[in-house]
Order: sequence, then C-alpha cells, then structure tokens
Amino acid sequence: EDKVVQSPLSLVVHEGDTVTLNCSYEVTNFRSLLWYKQEKKAPTFLFMLTSSGIEKKSGRLSSILDKKELFSILNITATQTGDSAIYLCAVGTSGTYKYIFGTGTRLKVLA
Amino acid sequence: EAGVTQFPSHSVIEKGQTVTLRCDPISGHDNLYWYRRVMGKEIKFLLHFVKESKQDESGMPNNRFLAERTGGTYSTLKVQPAELEDSGVYFCASSLWTSQVIDTQYFGPGTRLTVL
Repeated sequence: EDKVVQSPLSLVVHEGDTVTLNCSYEVTNFRSLLWYKQEKKAPTFLFMLTSSGIEKKSGRLSSILDKKELFSILNITATQTGDSAIYLCAVGTSGTYKYIFGTGTRLKVLA
Repeated sequence: EAGVTQFPSHSVIEKGQTVTLRCDPISGHDNLYWYRRVMGKEIKFLLHFVKESKQDESGMPNNRFLAERTGGTYSTLKVQPAELEDSGVYFCASSLWTSQVIDTQYFGPGTRLTVL
C-alpha cells in the first residue's frame, strides 16, 4: 500500500533556528511531491517537486527531492513565529490525480 | 483571485441525520477533489471530478456518501445517514486541467463535521 511518512511529528524551536522537516514515501510510480503549510484553515501550497536533486527555494524556505532514496526535505532558515504551522507532504502517483498525504509535522516557533 | 471556498465551516449533527457540504473551486479549474481528515489521521482522498464527471471515486468510504458536481462548477458532498465515524474535516481542492498529470491542487479551508 502506498505510504507517506513525515518526521518529526512535532517540533519546538526558537526564533532564528534552522529546521529540517522530513518526508519519506513508498509509492508505486511516483509522479510528484507537494509541500503545504497549514496554519488555521486551508493548506497553503509551498512547493511541487518532480525531479531529483533540484532545489526549490522561496525566501527562507527550500526543498529538495531524492527519488533514489525516496524522500524529500523542507528546510526553513532563520525561523520566525509566523512559521508556526503544520507542514504537510503529499505524493502523487502516475495515472491518477489524487495525492497521498503524510500526517504532517507540527512546528512551533517560540519568540 | 478568489480561492477555494467551502460551506459551512463547521457542522454539528446527530447520528442518522443528513448533511450536505458545498465546495466552490477556483474559477476556471476543471478538476475538483474531496479529501477528508479524521481525528489524528492523515488527509485521505475521497474522489475527483473533471468538470461534472467523476474521474476517480476510489476513496469514497461507502454508499452513504454522495458527491455531485452538476454543471461542472460547484460540488456538494452529502452524507446520509451520518454516523459517528464520519466526524472529521472535509477538504475540497481544485486544479487546472493540463495535459500532464503534475497539477498543483489548491485547498479550501475545510468543513469540520461533528456527528454526535
């Protein structure tokens, strides 16, 4: 059965710290991997990754995919309290538009 | 541009009652998806519409759930009769139709359903 596992489940850091969130997957016919940030309501799209080794970057956030080792990481540098959220990883497989989600990593950034 | 909207934001009903959730996708998005997260678990796919057609309903839990998208615009998800295990957050997402299956899905805020 297709599976996406995120770690850690929860993380508490102080402002200015750098964090790395992990997403590993076991799926048949990988298509793409998405990262979302969920604060209060709607998950907000961050990145889509389809190719190995190519880093996607947006401000202090960056992500990279390793298709050989079947994982992705999301890095957040110089964290701020506004980064506090649940970060979701989702993997799509070929032949379908649906995504398989991990349980998420809950990040809390303390001032 | 307005995002995906869902109504209501929260619904509390008793076991055995019927509830209808509504989703309005981003204008112009042909693809519409329903997902659900039950307490403590991951978000799980329910079904996928392309315009008004059901493309994939492999995630629908049972025949108490009925999704429609008449006219290919907004969608409704009806639960009848509701059971306790149906409680959770129901998310809707939409995406543009492209020729490649690598489309980004944009999520709505979800409807929290509580069945007592």
